[in-house]
Amino acid sequence: DAKTTQPNSMESNEEEPVHLPCNHSTISGTDYIHWYRQLPSQGPEYVIHGLTSNVNNRMASLAIAEDRKSSTLILHRATLRDAAVYYCILPLISNFGNEKLTFGTGTRLTIIP
Amino acid sequence: DVKVTQSSRYLVKRTGEKVFLECVQDMDHENMFWYRQDPGLGLRLIYFSYDVKMKEKGDIPEGYSVSREKKERFSLILESASTNQTSMYLCASSPPDRTNYGYTFGSGTRLTVV
Repeated sequence: DAKTTQPNSMESNEEEPVHLPCNHSTISGTDYIHWYRQLPSQGPEYVIHGLTSNVNNRMASLAIAEDRKSSTLILHRATLRDAAVYYCILPLISNFGNEKLTFGTGTRLTIIP
Repeated sequence: DVKVTQSSRYLVKRTGEKVFLECVQDMDHENMFWYRQDPGLGLRLIYFSYDVKMKEKGDIPEGYSVSREKKERFSLILESASTNQTSMYLCASSPPDRTNYGYTFGSGTRLTVV
C-alpha cells in the first residue's frame, strides 16, 4: 500500500504563501492524491485532489511532481483561519477491492499573525 | 452542500453499555465511513459501507459493529462499551466516482466511557 510522508509541523506568516510538502514515492499510476484539513474541534474537510497535472480550486492549488512521487499543497495567501492539520492521503484498496482513505497524523500548520 | 449529521456531539456512557452512534447524510451518497480519532494517532478507519446492507471492516473493527439499513443512515454500535473506546468518532460520506469525489465529514461525537 502506498504511504505518504509529511512534516509534523510548519509555521507560516499571515498573508504569505504556504507550501505544504508530501512525499509518496510508492504511489501507483492510478492513485489520486488527496488533501484534507482539520480545523480545531471540527471534522476533516476536503481541500483538493489530483492525479497528474496541477489542480486549482477556490481553497488551494495542488502541484504534483512530474514523476508523481511528491506533491505540494499551496495556500496562496494564508490567513489565521488556515491554521489546521493538513493531511496528504493516497487511497488504499480494501480486501474486497473498495477504495478507502486512511489518514495519518498530517502536518500541523501554525499561522503567525 | 452535503451535510453529514451525527446525532450527538457529546455522549457519556457506562462500561458494558451498548452504545449506538448515528450518522445521517442528505446527498444520496453510496459510501459511508466511521473513524475514530485519538491524540497522536490521527484518524483510524473502523468500518465502512459501499451500499445498503453492505459493510467492510476497516483497520480497527474489534469491539464495534455497524448497520446500514437505509442509504442515508450508517450506525456504529459498541456492543459492550469499554473505557478504551473513549474517543472522538467521526462519520463521513462520499459519492462513488473516484475521479471526482471528496469525503464530507460530520462534526464528530465525543464519547466518554466511564
